[in-house]
Amino acid sequence: AQTVTQSQPEMSVQEAETVTLSCTYDTSESDYYLFWYKQPPSRQMILVIRQEAYKQQNATENRFSVNFQKAAKSFSLKISDSQLGDAAMYFCAYSGGGGADGLTFGKGTHLIIQP
Amino acid sequence: DGGITQSPKYLFRKEGQNVTLSCEQNLNHDAMYWYRQDPGQGLRLIYYSQIVNDFQKGDIAEGYSVSREKKESFPLTVTSAQKNPTAFYLCASHLGGGGDADTQYFGPGTRLTVL
Repeated sequence: AQTVTQSQPEMSVQEAETVTLSCTYDTSESDYYLFWYKQPPSRQMILVIRQEAYKQQNATENRFSVNFQKAAKSFSLKISDSQLGDAAMYFCAYSGGGGADGLTFGKGTHLIIQP
Repeated sequence: DGGITQSPKYLFRKEGQNVTLSCEQNLNHDAMYWYRQDPGQGLRLIYYSQIVNDFQKGDIAEGYSVSREKKESFPLTVTSAQKNPTAFYLCASHLGGGGDADTQYFGPGTRLTVL
C-alpha cells in the first residue's frame, strides 16, 4: 500500500518570505501523480499543483513550485512571496493506477503566515 | 456554474440512525469519490465509483454504503454499524482519461455529528 508522510505538522513564515513544505511517499509503481491541496478555514479542498511522475520537469503555478525527486520519493512544495491568504492546511496526496483509484493523503502541514 | 455540491452542510444524527449525505456534480465527470476527514488527519478514502452502477470499497468502507444510479449523483449512507461517524465528509470527482483529467476536484463538505 502507498503511504504519504508529511513530517512538519506546523510551519510559520513571515509575509513575503519563502517557505518549503516537505512530503515523502512510498510506492512500488512507476506511473503515478502527486498533488498538493490547500484547505483554508472554510475546509474547501483546493488544488494547488500537480506533478506527473513521468515528467522530469518540476511543476510550477505562479508563486508555487515543487521539487520532485523521484528516486528519493520526495515531493516538496515551495511557496514564494508568501501572502496572508496562503495561511491554510496543506496536504500532499498520491494517486496511482492511472488516477482512478482514489487519493492517499498525508496528515497535513498547518502553514501560518506572520504579518 | 459547473461544480460539485454536497448537502446538507451540517448534519446531526442520533445514535442508531442511518443518514444519507448527498453529492451531485454537473461536470460530466465519470469517477466520484467519498473521503472522511478527522481532526488532525488527512483524508481517507471510503468508497469510489468509476462508472454508473459500479463502485469499489476504499480503505475505510465498514459501516458505509453507496449507490451510483446516475452519473451526476453519488450518495453516501452512514449506517448505524459505523462506530464513530462524527467527522467531516468530502466528495470529489474527476473526468478520467489521463493527464489533467485525472485531477480530483472537491465539494464543500458535510459535517456530521452524532448526538
